[in-house]
Amino acid sequence: AQSVTQPDIHITVSEGASLELRCNYSYGATPYLFWYVQSPGQGLQLLLKYFSGDTLVQGIKGFEAEFKRSQSSFNLRKPSVHWSDAAEYFCAVVGGGYQKVTFGTGTKLQVIP
Amino acid sequence: SAVISQKPSRDICQRGTSLTIQCQVDSQVTMMFWYRQQPGQSLTLIATANQGSEATYESGFVIDKFPISRPNLTFSTLTVSNMSPEDSSIYLCSAPGTGGTEAFFGQGTRLTVV
Repeated sequence: AQSVTQPDIHITVSEGASLELRCNYSYGATPYLFWYVQSPGQGLQLLLKYFSGDTLVQGIKGFEAEFKRSQSSFNLRKPSVHWSDAAEYFCAVVGGGYQKVTFGTGTKLQVIP
Repeated sequence: SAVISQKPSRDICQRGTSLTIQCQVDSQVTMMFWYRQQPGQSLTLIATANQGSEATYESGFVIDKFPISRPNLTFSTLTVSNMSPEDSSIYLCSAPGTGGTEAFFGQGTRLTVV
């Protein structure tokens, strides 16, 4: 069965600092990987996705993520965090072909001035 | 992309009552999904709703508690039955986009049971 681990429950960064959110997945074949963001009281917004090809994918709001098969990881990065990035971030995996989405436990990002 | 409209956006309900949540997709989709997000938790899949067949429930969720309807390819409902305070959560519906390679979500229904 597929699974996703986000080892960091909370992360606090200063505005303007760089950010990396960790995600490790477990899946037998090549997975479809996603990062979603959920702002307080809001639904889920897709930041970026990886299916195949270039292992460094660019998303919205200046985010990028790198797929590393050898490490079963799909970490999310942003070079300079803005106060509006404070939210909860979910890594997710979908099996080959469209199936149910399995979410990680989420990482809450706090941005301090 | 798919645009998903969900209502109500929030509700406060008395224990023992039931609430039906509606989900409308702006395109035809074969599969729709219902998730629960308990306070401070991640999203957990409740069931997969295929048009023309019974919904498939995940472990820990049963049809008597969470009956689902899927009358056509753009619409689904989830009912939370005989509610208790433990059912207080955000409920989200989801549908795949074109090509079936990503999931789009409604804004969610924030349910509080008192």
